[in-house]
Amino acid sequence: DIQMTQSPSSLSASVGDRVTITCQASQDISNYLNWYQQKPGKAPKLLIYDASNLETGVPSRFSGSGSGTDFTFTISSLQPEDIATYYCQQYDNLRWTFGQGTKVEIK
Amino acid sequence: QVQLQESGPGLVKPSQTLSLTCTVSGGSISSGGYYWSWIRQHPGKGLEWIGYIYYSGSTYYNPSLKSRVTISVDTSKNQFSLKLSSVTAADTAVYYCARVSAAAADYWGQGTLVTVSS
Repeated sequence: DIQMTQSPSSLSASVGDRVTITCQASQDISNYLNWYQQKPGKAPKLLIYDASNLETGVPSRFSGSGSGTDFTFTISSLQPEDIATYYCQQYDNLRWTFGQGTKVEIK
Repeated sequence: QVQLQESGPGLVKPSQTLSLTCTVSGGSISSGGYYWSWIRQHPGKGLEWIGYIYYSGSTYYNPSLKSRVTISVDTSKNQFSLKLSSVTAADTAVYYCARVSAAAADYWGQGTLVTVSS
């Protein structure tokens, strides 16, 4: 099975900072990678699909890039409402795996 | 606007079968084009994919749960269901149902906490 290594597990940044989260797959998954945001007590929300496509209605400060085994999720200017845990999710051969999550806090 | 709502017992005894139903509104499961998924989250932990189903009944399961999981669909009620057998405390989690579009879960239910305890 494909394993996803997401880092860091947590980070603290100031409002307006650029925030970057990485996800590494244990084997080539092309661009089969999605990113979700989960706020406390809420269901996850899809932000990015197919590695770099912004879901409709999601602010443009969120972006994703990468292919193969290495992927990056970026918040260009951190806002207070972005406090959440972010997960990557790969899909390969009709099976899914999630990364361990990155908790983003305001410094 | 598609909405999903999980329902089922919040407490299940060890060794019994956990049964949950997801009711879909604002869209028809039988129209095709989407898979319908179950995902769970252990308390304070990350997300774990359980499996998904197509309206035709085709299913795909997490290999680590496959021996205990059954996902089924009832298109007449616009519902899909999860059964997880022989549960233990390790199955205590928030269970989410979700619509899958192009291998991404784009609509989610609010989640339901299922506790396994005697």
